[in-house]
Amino acid sequence: KQEVTQIPAALSVPEGENLVLNCSFTDSAIYNLQWFRQDPGKGLTSLLLIQSSQREQTSGRLNASLDKSSGRSTLYIAASQPGDSATYLCAVISAAGNKLTFGGGTRVLVKP
Amino acid sequence: DAGVIQSPRHEVTEMGQEVTLRCKPISGHNSLFWYRQTMMRGLELLIYFNNNVPIDDSGMPEDRFSAKMPNASFSTLKIQPSEPRDSAVYFCASSPGTSEYQETQYFGPGTRLLVL
Repeated sequence: KQEVTQIPAALSVPEGENLVLNCSFTDSAIYNLQWFRQDPGKGLTSLLLIQSSQREQTSGRLNASLDKSSGRSTLYIAASQPGDSATYLCAVISAAGNKLTFGGGTRVLVKP
Repeated sequence: DAGVIQSPRHEVTEMGQEVTLRCKPISGHNSLFWYRQTMMRGLELLIYFNNNVPIDDSGMPEDRFSAKMPNASFSTLKIQPSEPRDSAVYFCASSPGTSEYQETQYFGPGTRLLVL
C-alpha cells in the first residue's frame, strides 16, 4: 500500500527566503506526482505535475524535482512572499491501485 | 470556466439524517472524483467515475455511503444515515479523463459537513 509522507508538517520563514518542502513515498512504481496548494477553507489548486519519466518541472518561482528510485520529491519556492502562506500537499498516482494518494501536507507561513 | 461547482458549501445535520452532496464537474471533463478530508486521516479518495461509470469505489467507507453520476454534468454523494464521524470536508474533483493517470485534477471548493 502506497504511503506518502511530508516533512516538516509546518514551516515558518521570513519573507524572501527560499522554501524547501519534502515529500517521500514508499512505492516507486508511480505514474506521476503532483503538488497542490490549499488555502484555509478552500479547495486544492494544482501547482505542478511531474510524470514518472521526468526529473523536474518548473513554473515561475516554483520548481519540483522527482527522484523515483529513492521515492522522493522536493518542491522549491524561490524568494517566498506572504501570499505563499498555505498548506502544500503532494500526491502520487501509483501503478497499483490507480489512485491519487496524498501526503499529510506542510503548512507554510511566510512572515512579512 | 466556472470550475468544479459543489453544493451546499456547508451542511449541518443531526445524526441519522440523510445527507446529499452535489457536484458539477468542469464541462468536457470525463473523470470525476470524490474525496474526504479530515484532520486525522488527511485526504482520502472515496470513489471515482470515468464516463459516468464508477471505476473504483474501494474507498467508500461503508454501505451508508453511495455515489451516483446520472450524466456527464452531475454527481451526488449520499450518506444515509449520517453519523458524527462522517463530519469532514468533502471535495469533488474532475479531470479531462483522456488518461486519468497523467492528468491534473481540478478541485471544487468542498462541502463542510458537520453531523451532530
